[in-house]
Amino acid sequence: NAGVTQTPKFQVLKTGQSMTLQCAQDMNHNSMYWYRQDPGMGLRLIYYSASEGTTDKGEVPNGYNVSRLNKREFSLRLESAAPSQTSVYFCASSEIQPTSKPQHFGDGTRLSIL
Amino acid sequence: AQSVTQLGSHVSVSEGALVLLRCNYSSSVPPYLFWYVQYPNQGLQLLLKYTTGATLVKGINGFEAEFKKSETSFHLTKPSAHMSDAAEYFCAVSYYMEYGNKLVFGAGTILRVKS
Repeated sequence: NAGVTQTPKFQVLKTGQSMTLQCAQDMNHNSMYWYRQDPGMGLRLIYYSASEGTTDKGEVPNGYNVSRLNKREFSLRLESAAPSQTSVYFCASSEIQPTSKPQHFGDGTRLSIL
Repeated sequence: AQSVTQLGSHVSVSEGALVLLRCNYSSSVPPYLFWYVQYPNQGLQLLLKYTTGATLVKGINGFEAEFKKSETSFHLTKPSAHMSDAAEYFCAVSYYMEYGNKLVFGAGTILRVKS
């Protein structure tokens, strides 16, 4: 029972490089989310996808793009990495409703941009 | 707009002592509230949640939280701290967006347990 799986777990990039973070869930959830976690700021929503074929911006979308490949997979792309994007990235999934349903998180991708 | 404030970015307690982590929320609609725990180099794990009904909510690992509407609070407690409780704790409020649910997180509280 894997839940939410993120790859890679760690990555170091140089400024200007691009990379895609992968996320897959096996809980048949409709909604998927990408967050970034920075010290003292909690988790902030980058993008979310309510269902297959839809995506929308969250609180901090600049510098990122996403693709909902199918119901299971939701990827996050950094087209031209910047040091300000050094962070821990979490993918999560949940049922659409009701609002009381919790989100389930992956173990994160620790990304450093030099 | 929904928001969450966690008082104290770091809390230190002795093993066996009471754990109290504070959370206050702001919500324009009846809130759904969550506490998550994050152990080092891991993702977030759900501790407990408040939806409706009983205001005292019990979670995993002996934690509980009480929803107080009049105080807009949802403080997390545990009667006796254990070394394994050392982690970062996040309070969050959930509300429904046009598409799916949104979680707004507090900044987190790092709990240190001293032997």
